[in-house]
Amino acid sequence: QVQLVQSGAEVKKPGSSVKVSCKASGDTFSNYAINWVRQAPGQGLEWMGEIIPIFRTADYAQNFQGRVTISADESTATVYIELSSLRSEDTAMYYCARGTFWSDRYYYLAMDVWGQGTTVTVSS
Amino acid sequence: EIVLTQSPGTLSLSPGQRATLSCRASQSVSTNYLAWYQQKPGQAPRLLIYGASNRATGIADRFSGSGSETDFTLTISGLEPEDFAVYYCQQYGSSPQTFGQGTKVEIK
Repeated sequence: QVQLVQSGAEVKKPGSSVKVSCKASGDTFSNYAINWVRQAPGQGLEWMGEIIPIFRTADYAQNFQGRVTISADESTATVYIELSSLRSEDTAMYYCARGTFWSDRYYYLAMDVWGQGTTVTVSS
Repeated sequence: EIVLTQSPGTLSLSPGQRATLSCRASQSVSTNYLAWYQQKPGQAPRLLIYGASNRATGIADRFSGSGSETDFTLTISGLEPEDFAVYYCQQYGSSPQTFGQGTKVEIK
């Protein structure tokens, strides 16, 4: 049974960067996409991007282009998201979630396993 | 980008009643790659339905999904106390993946 465990809460100053990790255990890691989804307080879910670790290239939502980097370390089964130039509107819960599978072709999958979430607070 | 619009915003019902939630897409959803999630306060979302109509592992059969192309529905056949939550639809067949804004099912 796969589990995704995220790093702890972060408090950051405006203009700085934050890096959140998501470690997978218990199942095949490299062939599944890991998505990042954020949720501002009292708001809905927003997809930020995804990576399939074996491909090492990420796909990003337009809203975050240029400010976000998603990377993967297959040796530790960990995916990272780094968000730069933080502003107060980036205060949110950040979730990683498993999705699409690759084996000779893409198998588009819904997000069936979620991390516990990481709170990022941006405040001066 | 596919925009998903959920209605109603809030649904006030009593336990045992039937809940019908709607999700409308701005363009056809590829191969019905449409999912529904349930989220309770302080918890991560939980996958209920994928492929528009397939229940995820461990999901009670009172939850059902239907629809195709641009119109999708989540039905809860008889609300249990634990079903009062926020529900989101999501399309995952084209990039960027998008979510609806959510429907809150609250106790009347």
